[in-house]
Amino acid sequence: NAGVTQTPKFQVLKTGQSMTLQCAQDMNHNSMYWYRQDPGMGLRLIYYSASEGTTDKGEVPNGYNVSRLNKREFSLRLESAAPSQTSVYFCASSERLQGPSSMNTEAFFGQGTRLTVV
Amino acid sequence: QKEVEQNSGPLSVPEGAIASLNCTYSDRVSQSFFWYRQYSGKSPELIMSIYSNGDKEDGRFTAQLNKASQYVSLLIRDSQPSDSATYLCAVKGPGGSYIPTFGRGTSLIVHP
Repeated sequence: NAGVTQTPKFQVLKTGQSMTLQCAQDMNHNSMYWYRQDPGMGLRLIYYSASEGTTDKGEVPNGYNVSRLNKREFSLRLESAAPSQTSVYFCASSERLQGPSSMNTEAFFGQGTRLTVV
Repeated sequence: QKEVEQNSGPLSVPEGAIASLNCTYSDRVSQSFFWYRQYSGKSPELIMSIYSNGDKEDGRFTAQLNKASQYVSLLIRDSQPSDSATYLCAVKGPGGSYIPTFGRGTSLIVHP
C-alpha cells in the first residue's frame, strides 16, 4: 500500500526551465493538495483539488499550474522556474467522512520533492 | 484569513518529562483538528486527530481540544529523544471545507 507517491524526490533546475511534479495516491481520496514548505514559513497551500475535475488556487499559486488528471493523479507544473521557487514540495490527499458532521480525515503526505532553482 | 498559530520554539525538555505543545486557531467553525510530527528532511506524519471537546489519549500522547477558547494542545508524556521533531497543528473547517490549514510548527528537543 503505497499511499501518496511523488516524483521526483530531488530536482535542480536552471532559472527559466520548466518541469512537472507528479503525484499519485492509491487511497481513493477525492481531495488532493500541493504545499510548499520553506524554513520558518510552515506549509503553504499552492493549489488544491476538492474532487476530480476541479482545481482551485491556494495561498501562493503564482508561478504554478496544476492538473487533476484523474482521481488518482494531481500534477504541479512550473512553467518558468525562478530561484524563489526553491523549496520542498509536498503533495497530500484526504477524504471527507460520511455522516451529519461531515468531518474530514487527516491529510496523508507524499515523501516530498526537494527543488532547487539556480 | 484562517490562521493557525503555534510557538515556533524550540521547546527543550529533559528525557522523561512532559512536553506541552499548544496551538490556537481563528476560525470558530473549525471541526477537525490534527497533530503531525515531522522529522528533519521527512514528510509530516499524523500523530493524533481530535474532533470533540476534551481529551483524547493514545499511548504517550494526549490531545486536548477547547473549542470555546479555540485552542488545541498536545501533551507528550515520558518524552524520549526520538520525539525530537517539529510538531505541526492542522485545522479543517466543516462540511465542504476540505482544506487543512497548518501552523508553522513547534520544534521540540528532548535532551538526555
